[in-house]
Amino acid sequence: QKEVEQNSGPLSVPEGAIASLNCTYSDRGSQSFFWYRQYSGKSPELIMSIYSNGDKEDGRFTAQLNKASQYVSLLIRDSQPSDSATYLCAVNDRNYKLTFGKGTLLTVNP
Amino acid sequence: KAGVTQTPRYLIKTRGQQVTLSCSPISGHRSVSWYQQTPGQGLQFLFEYFSETQRNKGNFPGRFSGRQFSNSRSEMNVSTLELGDSALYLCASKGGGGKYEQYFGPGTRLTVT
Repeated sequence: QKEVEQNSGPLSVPEGAIASLNCTYSDRGSQSFFWYRQYSGKSPELIMSIYSNGDKEDGRFTAQLNKASQYVSLLIRDSQPSDSATYLCAVNDRNYKLTFGKGTLLTVNP
Repeated sequence: KAGVTQTPRYLIKTRGQQVTLSCSPISGHRSVSWYQQTPGQGLQFLFEYFSETQRNKGNFPGRFSGRQFSNSRSEMNVSTLELGDSALYLCASKGGGGKYEQYFGPGTRLTVT
């Protein structure tokens, strides 16, 4: 059973701080990795994708991938109250089937 | 570009009935995947369709089925509904061509009573 593990949280950070979200996956053949944000009552929204080892930055978001350690992370700089949501890590296996973690609830306190 | 659309948005059914949900992908996207989201199990993959063929399948009973039409629109059917089928059903479309990002629709909230 391929698994994607995330801390369920809640993770609470003050406004302006860096929020760090982590994810590990079990399938060493995984090809591509994604972070989604889901507000309560809404559908998941793609915020980052990463395919290669290293860092990928997009605005306030940085995704980090370490395939040797089977680890993906998402950093949110200058966190805002509007960033408060559940963050879902998703991993594509070698058949391009997407498996999701259970999500980490992030709360940014003003 | 218009996003992924799903109909209906909300549905209430009785145990034993069947239901059909519809999904229209982003224009030009040929892959449609379906997911079930519940508070206890999170987001679970149901199946993926590409060019009218089922390409991947999750671990759900045969009561869950789907199909895709030539215009890439997809439907999902659940027969003999059970209380445990109450969930948010999400579809996502993918563009292909080396891009594996999936974009979700707003979902259909199904309540089985």
